[in-house]
Amino acid sequence: KQEVTQIPAALSVPEGENLVLNCSFTDSAIYNLQWFRQDPGKGLTSLLLIQSSQREQTSGRLNASLDKSSGRSTLYIAASQPGDSATYLCAVRGHTGNQFYFGTGTSLTVIP
Amino acid sequence: DARVTQTPRHKVTEMGQEVTMRCQPILGHNTVFWYRQTMMQGLELLAYFRNRAPLDDSGMPKDRFSAEMPDATLATLKIQPSEPRDSAVYFCASGSTDRHNEKLFFGSGTQLSVL
Repeated sequence: KQEVTQIPAALSVPEGENLVLNCSFTDSAIYNLQWFRQDPGKGLTSLLLIQSSQREQTSGRLNASLDKSSGRSTLYIAASQPGDSATYLCAVRGHTGNQFYFGTGTSLTVIP
Repeated sequence: DARVTQTPRHKVTEMGQEVTMRCQPILGHNTVFWYRQTMMQGLELLAYFRNRAPLDDSGMPKDRFSAEMPDATLATLKIQPSEPRDSAVYFCASGSTDRHNEKLFFGSGTQLSVL
């Protein structure tokens, strides 16, 4: 069974810093990988989706990379802002396409 | 903005009562997922539908939970009878099998408290 791990569980940085969130998965036979953001009391919002054939995706200050062979993805946030404070989850879509496997998330706090 | 709509947002009920949660997926999406989120377990998949057909409900306690899609605009998750351990946030998500449109969209969730 696919297992998805996110380290660290929590991260606190001063405003303006660049930061990297990590996601690792045990089975490299994936269909795609998504990074989500979850604000307290809200649902998950998809930030970036990387197909299994891609190496990275960018949206504004966010850049997600995928190294399928090593079972790793990173989410890079440039010039962090207090509004970036949230929990970030990665989800791997299994090769059969049915199941999304979620990590437990990294809780990010950006201090003004 | 297209969005997944879930009702109710909050539900407090007593043990043994029936609970029904509803979800309206985004128009045109052909996949629907039900997830449960708790601090201890994170996000757990309960059920998955594609083109309204249930494809995976292995994560759902069959004796008390049931999920249906009576039509393309409505998915329901029922718990009968409810128990305190069912207290959690229940999310519905919808998506598409179109390879160019595969992002998963979540509703705001139903916060369920069973007393």
